[in-house]
Amino acid sequence: DAGVIQSPRHEVTEMGQEVTLRCKPISGHDYLFWYRQTMMRGLELLIYFNNNVPIDDSGMPEDRFSAKMPNASFSTLKIQPSEPRDSAVYFCASSSDRGVSSYNEQFFGPGTRLTVL
Amino acid sequence: RKEVEQDPGPFNVPEGATVAFNCTYSNSASQSFFWYRQDCRKEPKLLMSVYSSGNEDGRFTAQLNRASQYISLLIRDSKLSDSATYLCVVSLGWKGNMLTFGGGTRLMVKP
Repeated sequence: DAGVIQSPRHEVTEMGQEVTLRCKPISGHDYLFWYRQTMMRGLELLIYFNNNVPIDDSGMPEDRFSAKMPNASFSTLKIQPSEPRDSAVYFCASSSDRGVSSYNEQFFGPGTRLTVL
Repeated sequence: RKEVEQDPGPFNVPEGATVAFNCTYSNSASQSFFWYRQDCRKEPKLLMSVYSSGNEDGRFTAQLNRASQYISLLIRDSKLSDSATYLCVVSLGWKGNMLTFGGGTRLMVKP
């Protein structure tokens, strides 16, 4: 089975440009998560969706960041305008609701390594 | 103070050694606890969940002490393939949706 798919795997852009990261969750999963990982701050949850609806975006750093999930098989994270401090690895993860008595294991994609010059 | 704190290491151990990692968390309302493993330049993967009663998976044993708010991971008979960064993770909810990650502890197993 295909895991979580992210594209592009690497992105180099210049400050001020718009960046769009893409994610395809595992088929049948109803939760989707966006994370950011840096050396300084570690791995941080940015936003998550349940059934395509944003549930918590308290981790989104500022208005330059936006995320959408137009359907169950696709999500985007957009940064506009990008800044050098946005350089990080961005991970997408998905999970399936396993019922009230169990946690939902999150499966991570390979990440997008973003460099903003 | 970070919500989840870990010793960054690295822990350098010989093959066959037993190694233990600890982490502490600050929010006493945390409900679910995990250890994730992350290989260099790869994505994190769930290693095991952690229960108050302790749980074991092969060479790996995890323990949770709610009173002291710390979590441990014990690896017995270390293998070269265990070399990775181990991330301590907590969540406020039972469902494990909003995960808070520690900074990770790096383990290097030497031949």
